[in-house]
Amino acid sequence: GENVEQHPSTLSVQEGDSAVIKCTYSDSASNYFPWYKQELGKRPQLIIDIRSNVGEKKDQRIAVTLNKTAKHFSLHITETQPEDSAVYFCAARERQGSTLGRLYFGRGTQLTVWP
Amino acid sequence: GAVVSQHPSRVICKSGTSVKIECRSLDFQATTMFWYRQFPKQSLMLMATSNEGSKATYEQGVEKDKFLINHASLTLSTLTVTSAHPEDSSFYICSARERQSGVTGPQHFGDGTRLSIL
Repeated sequence: GENVEQHPSTLSVQEGDSAVIKCTYSDSASNYFPWYKQELGKRPQLIIDIRSNVGEKKDQRIAVTLNKTAKHFSLHITETQPEDSAVYFCAARERQGSTLGRLYFGRGTQLTVWP
Repeated sequence: GAVVSQHPSRVICKSGTSVKIECRSLDFQATTMFWYRQFPKQSLMLMATSNEGSKATYEQGVEKDKFLINHASLTLSTLTVTSAHPEDSSFYICSARERQSGVTGPQHFGDGTRLSIL
């Protein structure tokens, strides 16, 4: 099955700085890569996603890049704010068809933004 | 936006009790729903995948007789933890995948259910 590695496990930045979280995946057939933000005791919230036919996607201060050849994708948050503090999970979805299209998650990154 | 409603949010009960958790997609149809378990400060562990009208597919190591899943309609899936014991205490989260034309839709999560077995 798919194996998703995520780094770093913790990340502390000063308000206004950028934050980058990186993930790798093992199954070259995976074709969809979402990022979720989870605040303590709350649901994971989809913040951005990218499909395998696209190399980069941006939504205001958040961007995701995908390198299919190297099988890695990254989340970039610019101009960080204290409210960005949360746990961020990357995920890779197995290609639907002969499989269930399950999401496999990384272990998460605790991002702390200091004011 | 797509909303997934999960109830109850918190359950505290005695050992041996069966607990039922509901997961509803409120404004979209979900042909597939997923049930996850999350331990403190850990990632989401997939327990099972359910498709509307068919039996759930359980991940390796998850007891299907312990965790009963029913996906009776395109908007409702339920997870029943049967004869719950303290080791079943955890945060259970459901997720529903949007039905979209031509592509596999994104997954949206419920608020989770914190289950505590005394």
